[in-house]
Amino acid sequence: QSVLTQPPSVSGAPGQRVTISCTGSSSNIGAGYDVHWYQQLPGTAPKLLIYGNINRPSGVPDRFSGSKSGTSASLAVTGLQAEDEADYYCQSYDRGLSGSVFGGGTKLTVL
Amino acid sequence: EVQLVESGGGLVQPGGSLRLSCAVSGFTFSSYWMTWVRQAPGKGLEWVANIKQDGSEKYYGDSVKGRFTISRDNAKNSLYLQMNSLRAEDTAVYYCARVVRWGVLERYFDLWGRGTLVTVSS
Repeated sequence: QSVLTQPPSVSGAPGQRVTISCTGSSSNIGAGYDVHWYQQLPGTAPKLLIYGNINRPSGVPDRFSGSKSGTSASLAVTGLQAEDEADYYCQSYDRGLSGSVFGGGTKLTVL
Repeated sequence: EVQLVESGGGLVQPGGSLRLSCAVSGFTFSSYWMTWVRQAPGKGLEWVANIKQDGSEKYYGDSVKGRFTISRDNAKNSLYLQMNSLRAEDTAVYYCARVVRWGVLERYFDLWGRGTLVTVSS
């Protein structure tokens, strides 16, 4: 049972927009701690996708965007492409656990 | 070129020990916090441990506290994870990653190695 809750799967057709939610609590996201997102392509290591809720590292397409409100955060992917098919994880800090916590991951399928 | 290369994984019996290493190149290792994150087969990511630049501060996830020890050798640009009293549930791919401080307590992980597989089984 992950501290941060993500839907197990989402899907969309090429060109469409999908969103992935990440729900926390008053010990993590709701306490004001920021959310970071990672993309894990099949058989590879995770890659930083979004940091500080909304910021994209150099090289990440602007089709990926993040937001945060209250105890939740979201990752949006617009203009879906086949190469976006991957697992996506949110991450934040939890003051009760005094450490980093991850969501359970969401598998994005491009139909 | 930035590289983080883990090694030391393998098959170990329950109750046994293993030491993982992570060799770093391409950035100033001694300037960064470092971390270990693991992923059980078919499961999600789990933070394991963090270590400060000079090794003076170390933090652990609850599931490994008291059994695992994170350490580093800045002269060798290397990060380590000593794992004792291993259990079946420790079976996972272990990744080392570079840490970016985001605020006083918050961290995120901007560079990752490819991981090394640890299997705990009799």
